[in-house]
Amino acid sequence: EAGVAQSPRYKIIEKRQSVAFWCNPISGHATLYWYQQILGQGPKLLIQFQNNGVVDDSQLPKDRFSAERLKGVDSTLKIQPAKLEDSAVYLCASSSLTGQQDHYGYTFGSGTRLTVV
Amino acid sequence: AQTVTQSQPEMSVQEAETVTLSCTYDTSENNYYLFWYKQPPSRQMILVIRQEAYKQQNATENRFSVNFQKAAKSFSLKISDSQLGDTAMYFCAFMKRSNTGKLIFGQGTTLQVKP
Repeated sequence: EAGVAQSPRYKIIEKRQSVAFWCNPISGHATLYWYQQILGQGPKLLIQFQNNGVVDDSQLPKDRFSAERLKGVDSTLKIQPAKLEDSAVYLCASSSLTGQQDHYGYTFGSGTRLTVV
Repeated sequence: AQTVTQSQPEMSVQEAETVTLSCTYDTSENNYYLFWYKQPPSRQMILVIRQEAYKQQNATENRFSVNFQKAAKSFSLKISDSQLGDTAMYFCAFMKRSNTGKLIFGQGTTLQVKP
């Protein structure tokens, strides 16, 4: 099966500009996650979708970050306006599991490296 | 709230030797999963091994094995016969058994395998 696709791979923007990242999960995967990984740290969950509904967005900075998952498939994550501290790798992941099924981890994409200057 | 701690920022090992990466976690949950993920320079997180908290037996996947000590809340990863391709960042992660599947990661350990 094809993996989780993300684009772009790299992005450099100036502070206060806007940026968008795109994720295409594995076909048929109901659950989609966006994680933020700041250099030297472990990834942190920003938002989780199940189909096209939000399950958890408690750590999403909603004043500047937004995300959507249209038709329960592709997802976009947007930052507007960007700050220097948003420089990070943004990882998308998907899982076929919903509910309290045994969890075997997810499949991650290769991420988008964002640099804000 | 759950936390995961990896106290070794960097480790190195000679090719063909064995290395152990440490991880401790804190939780009041009784039902959960623990994972080790590998992140090479390509940035993609790759699942190395998984452990279910209710299973006493330590998980093993080829050259990778864990030492799971539930009472001590410790979950170390042992890599045997280290290979150059094992060079990567390794993350320990915790997942509560719930309907969300949220992963909580440690800070990571950079492992370098030397020829």
